[in-house]
Amino acid sequence: EPEVTQTPSHQVTQMGQEVILRCVPISNHLYFYWYRQILGQKVEFLVSFYNNEISEKSEIFDDQFSVERPDGSNFTLKIRSTKLEDSAMYFCASSPTGRGQPQHFGDGTRLSIL
Amino acid sequence: QKEVEQDPGPLSVPEGAIVSLNCTYSNSAFQYFMWYRQYSRKGPELLMYTYSSGNKEDGRFTAQVDKSSKYISLFIRDSQPSDSATYLCAIYSGGGADGLTFGKGTHLIIQP
Repeated sequence: EPEVTQTPSHQVTQMGQEVILRCVPISNHLYFYWYRQILGQKVEFLVSFYNNEISEKSEIFDDQFSVERPDGSNFTLKIRSTKLEDSAMYFCASSPTGRGQPQHFGDGTRLSIL
Repeated sequence: QKEVEQDPGPLSVPEGAIVSLNCTYSNSAFQYFMWYRQYSRKGPELLMYTYSSGNKEDGRFTAQVDKSSKYISLFIRDSQPSDSATYLCAIYSGGGADGLTFGKGTHLIIQP
């Protein structure tokens, strides 16, 4: 069964450094998403991406975050200058046709900021 | 007011029991309802998807939606130790929004 894959599984970064999290969505899906889950808290929506542009973003997704689809398969989340509070699990998801359709999640990248 | 409420548990039941997991939500605009299962250090895995009031069955799993009460449930029949996981309800509001709103998850333990 097709799946969303994320790399790396664990990323350790010094505070203030830039980090890029990578995702390969399911191949025939058109909508892509990033969510985060701080330890012990809810999964929170960050951003959605469709047709090579941001479709919607939450208030969490401020200027230090950016997303990109650099080629036909990868979807990336960049955090420009990491803070301690960025430590979380980051999940990528994709859906075939977007709004209202089920979203399929990867296994996440655990980001640890030191 | 929190948008999606879910009892975090843990909920511990013996193998073979029927499990009932529940969520309440506050926004009547919510239209689509999903249940995900999350094992430790894994991503959410889609179990059930529904958009109307009533029941939807898939194998041992039944999802129930009551829009008038803003209440959704997931029932697991003949529960197995492999069902031990955290179960997340997720709701999509429709309109111009793309992101899912998640509950905090219920940690379920099936005792062999």
